[in-house]
Amino acid sequence: KNQVEQSPQSLIILEGKNCTLQCNYTVSPFSNLRWYKQDTGRGPVSLTIMTFSENTKSNGRYTATLDADTKQSSLHITASQLSDSASYICVVSDRGSTLGRLYFGRGTQLTVWP
Amino acid sequence: EADIYQTPRYLVIGTGKKITLECSQTMGHDKMYWYQQDPGMELHLIHYSYGVNSTEKGDLSSESTVSRIRTEHFPLTLESARPSHTSQYLCASSDLNEGYGYTFGSGTRLTVV
Repeated sequence: KNQVEQSPQSLIILEGKNCTLQCNYTVSPFSNLRWYKQDTGRGPVSLTIMTFSENTKSNGRYTATLDADTKQSSLHITASQLSDSASYICVVSDRGSTLGRLYFGRGTQLTVWP
Repeated sequence: EADIYQTPRYLVIGTGKKITLECSQTMGHDKMYWYQQDPGMELHLIHYSYGVNSTEKGDLSSESTVSRIRTEHFPLTLESARPSHTSQYLCASSDLNEGYGYTFGSGTRLTVV
């Protein structure tokens, strides 16, 4: 069964601190891995997308890494801000169908305290 | 500005009522999707469409129905709402290659009382 597992389930950090969120997946075949940020009551917004050949991708203070051999990804947030409080969702796409099916993790709920 | 719009943002409705959740995109995307998301849980695909007059059921069984008469419009309908339908419904669209163009709407929070 294709799965995407994220850890931790929730995380509280102080403003200005760094943090790293983890994503392990078993999706095969693999097409790409995306990280989304979802504010409460809103739709997910794309942060990064990485294909098999990419092992790091940055978007401002967000840096994602991908190890396709171990099927692991991480999202590192630098110098956190209060506005970073949100759910961060790891999404993996396979290339096995014309739909390019997406597999969603349950997300890591990040809370940044002042 | 190219975007994807969902209305209403919030809806509280009584059991047995018929409702339609609207979704429109201005990006010219062929593919559109409906997801259902409960708090703290992953998104589940309930419907998708490859283009006009194309609709398919997703992974999660749903009593809702969809239609795709125009490329930009993908409404979701519940003929008779029940409390079990209470959830957040997210619409998304993508280009044919589903590369960087996979975009979500802001969602509709549905509560059936």
